[in-house]
Amino acid sequence: SQKIEQNSEALNIQEGKTATLTCNYTNYSPAYLQWYRQDPGRGPVFLLLIRENEKEKRKERLKVTFDTTLKQSLFHITASQPADSATYLCAPNNAGNMLTFGGGTRLMVKP
Amino acid sequence: DTGVSQDPRHKITKRGQNVTFRCDPISEHNRLYWYRQTLGQGPEFLTYFQNEAQLEKSRLLSDRFSAERPKGSFSTLEIQRTEQGDSAMYLCASSLSNLQGAHNEQFFGPGTRLTVL
Repeated sequence: SQKIEQNSEALNIQEGKTATLTCNYTNYSPAYLQWYRQDPGRGPVFLLLIRENEKEKRKERLKVTFDTTLKQSLFHITASQPADSATYLCAPNNAGNMLTFGGGTRLMVKP
Repeated sequence: DTGVSQDPRHKITKRGQNVTFRCDPISEHNRLYWYRQTLGQGPEFLTYFQNEAQLEKSRLLSDRFSAERPKGSFSTLEIQRTEQGDSAMYLCASSLSNLQGAHNEQFFGPGTRLTVL
């Protein structure tokens, strides 16, 4: 069965550094991958979508890569700020309408 | 506020009782989704509507769960004979599909936190 892995341990970094979060998937080949941010007690908020034919996508301080050979996506936040502290969820998916999420990685940016 | 809204935000019930949650999607969105999320996990898909038609249901959706979207606008999710294992955050999301069926972003509501005692 398909499996999505995100580091369950929190990632602690210093303000101003680049945060890098990993999303690995197995047993399927997603056509696209979405990243969401979730704050405690709130629903996820969409950040970026990258398609299988795109290697990299950027939005302001965010960068996402998608390596279909390694079956991995990396999510980078440059010049991180304490306000970036949240849980980040990846959702690699194929054609279809539901999203399948990883367990999320909690990011803590310390001032 | 024109985002997705859910009601109630919190619900505490006793085992065996029935509960009903409501979701109001973004008005022009034709797709509506229900997910369930437990602590430390990502959201798990439950069911999905395109307009008023329920098109997909997860195996997670036992026969105690029923969802409706009668006029293609708001949706309700009912859980009958609640069990302690039903305790979770229930999230609603909506999206607007285009003619090509592109995988557009989903907009989530704040969720309804259910606690079954």
